[in-house]
Amino acid sequence: GQQLNQSPQSMFIQEGEDVSMNCTSSSIFNTWLWYKQEPGEGPVLLIALYKAGELTSNGRLTAQFGITRKDSFLNISASIPSDVGIYFCAGDAGGTSYGKLTFGQGTILTVHP
Amino acid sequence: SAVISQKPSRDICQRGTSLTIQCQVDSQVTMMFWYRQQPGQSLTLIATANQGSEATYESGFVIDKFPISRPNLTFSTLTVSNMSPEDSSIYLCSVQGSTNIQYFGAGTRLSVL
Repeated sequence: GQQLNQSPQSMFIQEGEDVSMNCTSSSIFNTWLWYKQEPGEGPVLLIALYKAGELTSNGRLTAQFGITRKDSFLNISASIPSDVGIYFCAGDAGGTSYGKLTFGQGTILTVHP
Repeated sequence: SAVISQKPSRDICQRGTSLTIQCQVDSQVTMMFWYRQQPGQSLTLIATANQGSEATYESGFVIDKFPISRPNLTFSTLTVSNMSPEDSSIYLCSVQGSTNIQYFGAGTRLSVL
């Protein structure tokens, strides 16, 4: 089946630093989604990307849908302690797989004040 | 976005028993999904809950182990049958909105002794 390789697995940063994480796939996706999960909660959507090359921002977060449709990245600028959590990329291949999300392994983010 | 309520939020069960998890949405949705998140892992799609017909299961998941009901467009249940410690996971339901975005419930944290 489809797999998403997400990196890095974890990050330990100082408050104020910028963060970058990415996902790559061997197959094409029609939609890329980025979620954040905090302890005891389900994933919460951060950014949705629908077109190759699309660059979308949500506050301090910026994500891009790769031109090849096989990758995406998420940047967080000027990190703050509440950015702590697990960040997941997810892809929807569309077609007969429409709605069936494939998730990356997650990036655990720790922010030191 | 949709508001999704999952019950129970957590449970501790004995091996060999079954647990039914409920997922209620505050609006009618076409597509509902059930995911499993094993400890420290990413999310894996179990099945698509189809209203008025049998659920569509992903590879590695079978109806006898994870029977699903979807009696209407706002409600679904997932049963984890004949549980073993390996079934200890977070079980999450999600719904898909009109823009191909999935929203998740807070999850049910299951521990099997």
